[in-house]
Amino acid sequence: AQSVSQHNHHVILSEAASLELGCNYSYGGTVNLFWYVQYPGQHLQLLLKYFSGDPLVKGIKGFEAEFIKSKFSFNLRKPSVQWSDTAEYFCAVNAGENTGFQKLVFGTGTRLLVSP
Amino acid sequence: DSGVTQTPKHLITATGQRVTLRCSPRSGDLSVYWYQQSLDQGLQFLIQYYNGEERAKGNILERFSAQQFPDLHSELNLSSLELGDSALYFCASSVGGRSSYNEQFFGPGTRLTVL
Repeated sequence: AQSVSQHNHHVILSEAASLELGCNYSYGGTVNLFWYVQYPGQHLQLLLKYFSGDPLVKGIKGFEAEFIKSKFSFNLRKPSVQWSDTAEYFCAVNAGENTGFQKLVFGTGTRLLVSP
Repeated sequence: DSGVTQTPKHLITATGQRVTLRCSPRSGDLSVYWYQQSLDQGLQFLIQYYNGEERAKGNILERFSAQQFPDLHSELNLSSLELGDSALYFCASSVGGRSSYNEQFFGPGTRLTVL
């Protein structure tokens, strides 16, 4: 079965620190990978996605992620975090390829707290 | 605001009861997805409908059912509720459902508390 692992459940950083959140997936087929963010009290929003091509993907708000196929990883990075980045971050893989329909499998999430 | 609406925002009920959660997708979106977010299970895909038809199933219990109506809104029915069903239930919608990926837009969720 497909699965997604996020290694860090809670991360606390000071403003301007660099961020890297780990994500590993287990899926044998062609993968579509995503990072979603959930700000306090808000709905999930798409940060970035990878389908194919350049493994370094740039998203909104200065976030980027790198797909490393050999490591089954899709880590999220940001060079300098801001207080407004405090949120929960979810990595997800689209595991519905065989059916032709989408079925997102999410990781358990990482809560990021950025202190001013 | 994603354009996906869910009602109610909060629901408190007792074990053994039945509830219905409602979702209205973004204008023009044909696919609706339901997810359950709980502390112990995380965010899990339940079921997907595309233009009124069930297209994909995840970890949805037999006590749960869903449907998508001709106007494309969807309802998730939860019956014989148990304490463990307490969770945040998200609905998402996308333009299509097949082949190339269409971004899923999430609603604000319905928080269900079973006492």
